[in-house]
Amino acid sequence: GAVVSQHPSWVICKSGTSVKIECRSLDFQATTMFWYRQFPKQSLMLMATSNEGSKATYEQGVEKDKFLINHASLTLSTLTVTSAHPEDSSFYICSAIQPRGGVGRNNEQFFGPGTRLTVL
Amino acid sequence: TQLLEQSPQFLSIQEGENLTVYCNSSSVFSSLQWYRQEPGEGPVLLVTVVTGGEVKKLKRLTFQFGDARKDSSLHITAAQPGDTGLYLCAGTWNGTASKLTFGTGTRLQVTL
Repeated sequence: GAVVSQHPSWVICKSGTSVKIECRSLDFQATTMFWYRQFPKQSLMLMATSNEGSKATYEQGVEKDKFLINHASLTLSTLTVTSAHPEDSSFYICSAIQPRGGVGRNNEQFFGPGTRLTVL
Repeated sequence: TQLLEQSPQFLSIQEGENLTVYCNSSSVFSSLQWYRQEPGEGPVLLVTVVTGGEVKKLKRLTFQFGDARKDSSLHITAAQPGDTGLYLCAGTWNGTASKLTFGTGTRLQVTL
């Protein structure tokens, strides 16, 4: 149990276009999802916390108008990179946690496989 | 923003050797996790430690949590090529709920 998927697994787009990445919890309901960004040879940096039915909370330095997050249901959160530029090229990873009593312990985060975004 | 420093940043060893990776913070963790990540994939949880002084073993991997809960180490015995990957520690602190802050990472390469 506790599988998280992301779609697409990779995407290439032209500069100035918008790209939507989906994060789904396949076999559990996730009240909270997180979005991370990972540049080559670097660690994961938290971008935002997404709570179902409410506005996302963004980390310092992350532009909320550029990285739109929608957590419309307990199994789906989307990240839209608006007007993408080459510097937005990165590996985007989501994670999801269950409410207490679920599969995970200590609010364990279950990570998706990531989406590689390349902006030309 | 909490900072987690890992050392070393990169480690290249031969099969059969032992190694230790360190994770340090200036603040007290409420919990600390270790992950392994392979290229093009998401991180996979190896262990969670919450109690100061705690030691956990996972086959050839031994995880220690410092008594003061500010540092942790991962020791691998008799490394194998399959251990190759990016090792990440990640911590949570009181007041930040389930938000994880990841360490700087240690890239391990094990060769035959």
